[in-house]
Amino acid sequence: EVQLVESGGGLVQPGRSLKLSCAASGFTFSDYNMAWVRQAPTKGLEWVASISYGGSNTHYGDSVKGRFTISRDNAKSTLYLQMDSLRSEDTATYYCASAGRYFDYWGQGVMVTVSS
Amino acid sequence: NIVLTQSPATLSVTPGESVSLSCRASQSISTSIHWYQQKSNESPRLLIKYASQSISGIPSRFSGSGSGTDFTLSINRVESEDFSIYYCQQSYSSLYTFGSGTKLEIK
Repeated sequence: EVQLVESGGGLVQPGRSLKLSCAASGFTFSDYNMAWVRQAPTKGLEWVASISYGGSNTHYGDSVKGRFTISRDNAKSTLYLQMDSLRSEDTATYYCASAGRYFDYWGQGVMVTVSS
Repeated sequence: NIVLTQSPATLSVTPGESVSLSCRASQSISTSIHWYQQKSNESPRLLIKYASQSISGIPSRFSGSGSGTDFTLSINRVESEDFSIYYCQQSYSSLYTFGSGTKLEIK
C-alpha cells in the first residue's frame, strides 16, 4: 500500500524558516517524480513545487520561487520542502504527492501557520 | 501561466441526477487535463487523467471528455458520496495549475 506521511508543520513567525518532510513507502520512491501541493484554509489547491525522480530537475510556482526549495533523499525515500522567508499567505495545509504529470497518490497533509 | 476556469462554482443537484462540470483553459492544452475529487477534511483523489482516461478503483459513473480548451467531467446518476469539491489540473506546462473548483452540493 502506498503511503505518504508528511511532518514538520506548525506555527512559525513571518520571515522565519520551516522544513517539511514526506516519508514514502509502498512503492519504489526513486522511480517517481514528486511534488508539494498546498491548500490555504477554505481555499482551493495550489501546486507549489515538483522534483524529478533523480532530483536533478525542479520547478516552482511563482508565489514560492526563490523562497522554497524542494529536494529528496532517495536512500531514505523522503521528500523535503525547505521554506524560507515565510509570509502569512503561506499559511496552508501542505500535501506531498507522487507526480508524473498528475498527482496520483497524496499524503494526509500537514498544517503550516505563519503568524506572529 | 495557464489559467483554468471551472464552472459553475457551485452546483446543486438531487441524488440520481446526472451532471456535467466544466473546466476551460486559457490556451489550448491538448488533453493534458486531470480531475480530482476532494471530500471535506480529506486529501484530494485522482478521478480522471488526460481528459478521459479512467483510474483504477474509481466508479464508472465518472467520465471525462474534451480537448484543446474545453473539458468536462460527467457524473452519471450522482450518489450521496459524490457531494464534494471537484478540481481540474493542467500538465501541459511544467508550471502546473489547478482550477478554482466546483462544489457539488445536495439540492
